[in-house]
Amino acid sequence: EIVLTQSPGTLSLSPGERATLSCRASQSVSSTYLAWYKQKPGQAPRLLIYAASSRATGIPDKFSGSGSGTDFTLSINRLEPEDSAVYYCRQSGSAPEAFGQGTKVEIK
Amino acid sequence: EVQLVESGGGLVQPGGSLRLSCAASGFPFDTYWMHWVRQGPGKGLVWVSRINSYGSITAYADSVRGRVTISRDNAKNTLYLQMSSLRPEDTAVYYCATAIGPGGRDFWGQGTLVTVSS
Repeated sequence: EIVLTQSPGTLSLSPGERATLSCRASQSVSSTYLAWYKQKPGQAPRLLIYAASSRATGIPDKFSGSGSGTDFTLSINRLEPEDSAVYYCRQSGSAPEAFGQGTKVEIK
Repeated sequence: EVQLVESGGGLVQPGGSLRLSCAASGFPFDTYWMHWVRQGPGKGLVWVSRINSYGSITAYADSVRGRVTISRDNAKNTLYLQMSSLRPEDTAVYYCATAIGPGGRDFWGQGTLVTVSS
């Protein structure tokens, strides 16, 4: 079973800054099956990045993903108030699938 | 317009059973792998189960294996989750979702709340 550990737990940044979120896997994950989601309170998750670095439909280029193997990163440029949310990584390559525990991004 | 509408949630006593349904429309349901994901109150997302497009291959999280069965009826465009021996820790909003499809899109329902309490 693959465990995903996200860090930091909470990120508090100012508008215009860049956020860097980490997702570390307990064993290697194929990049094809690593995704990032954004979730705001009371809403279903929204896909941001799939296949580690490909932006989902309609996602602006301020969001970017990178990484391979056991270490993956989500970067968010030019932070805006609407970027305030919890961000999750997810691996879907091997069962059981898994989400990370989430990183909360707060905009000061 | 793509729609996933979950139903069947509610209050159930510990040890009880419940069947969740997810009615799909607006996309070729019978070509998509489907998932159930849950989220406890104030908690993170937890993957529960998945099923392939034909309904012949399934997988479960360790926390629910043996107590939960995922199934689908492609003729009715509906996904199911049969849950039994429910525990208080199964209390959560249960979402149905598609796998990521062509062009990097997936679809989620709005969730149905399951509360396990005496």
